[in-house]
Amino acid sequence: KQEVTQIPAALSVPEGENLVLNCSFTDSAIYNLQWFRQDPGKGLTSLLLIQSSQREQTSGRLNASLDKSSGRSTLYIAASQPGDSATYLCVVYNFNKFYFGSGTKLNVKP
Amino acid sequence: DARVTQTPRDKVTEMGQEVTMRCQPILGHNTVFWYRQTMMQGLELLAYFRNRAPLDDSGMPKDRFSAEMPDATLATLKIQPSEPRDSAVYFCASGTGLAGSGGLETQYFGPGTRLLVL
Repeated sequence: KQEVTQIPAALSVPEGENLVLNCSFTDSAIYNLQWFRQDPGKGLTSLLLIQSSQREQTSGRLNASLDKSSGRSTLYIAASQPGDSATYLCVVYNFNKFYFGSGTKLNVKP
Repeated sequence: DARVTQTPRDKVTEMGQEVTMRCQPILGHNTVFWYRQTMMQGLELLAYFRNRAPLDDSGMPKDRFSAEMPDATLATLKIQPSEPRDSAVYFCASGTGLAGSGGLETQYFGPGTRLLVL
């Protein structure tokens, strides 16, 4: 069974820092991997979707990479801002099933 | 401004009672998800539908939970009988599963139903 793990569980950084969130998965047979953010009391906002054939996706200050062979994905956030504070979830999709990581709670201090 | 709507927003009930939660996805979206969130377990995917057909409900306790889409504008999640451990916030989300991409390009979440089972 696919297991998705996110490290660290929580991260606190000063504003302006570049940071990396990690996601690992046990079964490399994935269709795609998606990064979401969740704000307190709200649902999920899709950030980036990487297909299995892709190595990375970029959107603004965000860059997500995918290495299927090693079962890893990273979400890089450049020049972090207090507005980036949220929980970031990694989700793997295959065979009509979604597998959620437990999330990394990010706090960017002004 | 298209939004996913959920009713009720809050529900307090007694153990053993039936609970029905409703969701209206964004018009045109072909995928609907049901999630449950608790402090202990975090966000859990219960079930999801694509084009009204259930694709995965393995996250849902089958003996007491059921999810349906009577039509494209309504999704329901029922718990019968409810138990205190079902207390959580239940989110519905909708999106567009693009052919060939799998997953979703975006997921639009409703405000959630906060359920408390006493």
